[in-house]
Amino acid sequence: DSGVTQTPKHLITATGQRVTLRCSPRSGDLSVYWYQQSLDQGLQFLIQYYNGEERAKGNILERFSAQQFPDLHSELNLSSLELGDSALYFCASSVDQGSAYNEQFFGPGTRLTVL
Amino acid sequence: EDKVVQSPLSLVVHEGDTVTLNCSYEVTNFRSLLWYKQEKKAPTFLFMLTSSGIEKKSGRLSSILDKKELFSILNITATQTGDSAIYLCAVFLYSGGGADGLTFGKGTHLIIQP
Repeated sequence: DSGVTQTPKHLITATGQRVTLRCSPRSGDLSVYWYQQSLDQGLQFLIQYYNGEERAKGNILERFSAQQFPDLHSELNLSSLELGDSALYFCASSVDQGSAYNEQFFGPGTRLTVL
Repeated sequence: EDKVVQSPLSLVVHEGDTVTLNCSYEVTNFRSLLWYKQEKKAPTFLFMLTSSGIEKKSGRLSSILDKKELFSILNITATQTGDSAIYLCAVFLYSGGGADGLTFGKGTHLIIQP
């Protein structure tokens, strides 16, 4: 158990809908990262937040957005869902966002299925 | 575009064999290379490599980085069925304004047969 929690574990929804995935980082971690893992694309970095502020963007679609709240939990919002958005979404947290790598601890993931 | 390529994509060996997994990268602002093991769900951290030529070891697993040739290898000796997993290689980039997250390869699916 990494100490990172994600809810829900599974989510099944229809195309065109909007969903929200939630992540609580490990106690004391200020950075939250979101990743998407699909069979064809592998594990891809989406976005990073540090202490409430967006710090880096990866391959995140415009239909997706995220935020980090004052209590440091983060939400990933996915809208106008398409079949291709079906994937495993991971949240990871680390102590800070300095230039040295700080180990990222991954949550158990949310499996999203779009029908 | 930053790229991390792992080979082979899939590998099936017998228990007790030694395996070598490869990872090559072409990225800007390289800071570190990391290896993760993914079994059922979340990736778990194995090694971080920052300097060339220094081997990291943990039990039967070891890894080394070559920054000149831009690759890393992960060795597993005396494999066991519990080593069956997807092994992910990732590079950590840093653009000055903030960490860029991890750029992952597609992974090597390792299957150890009894």
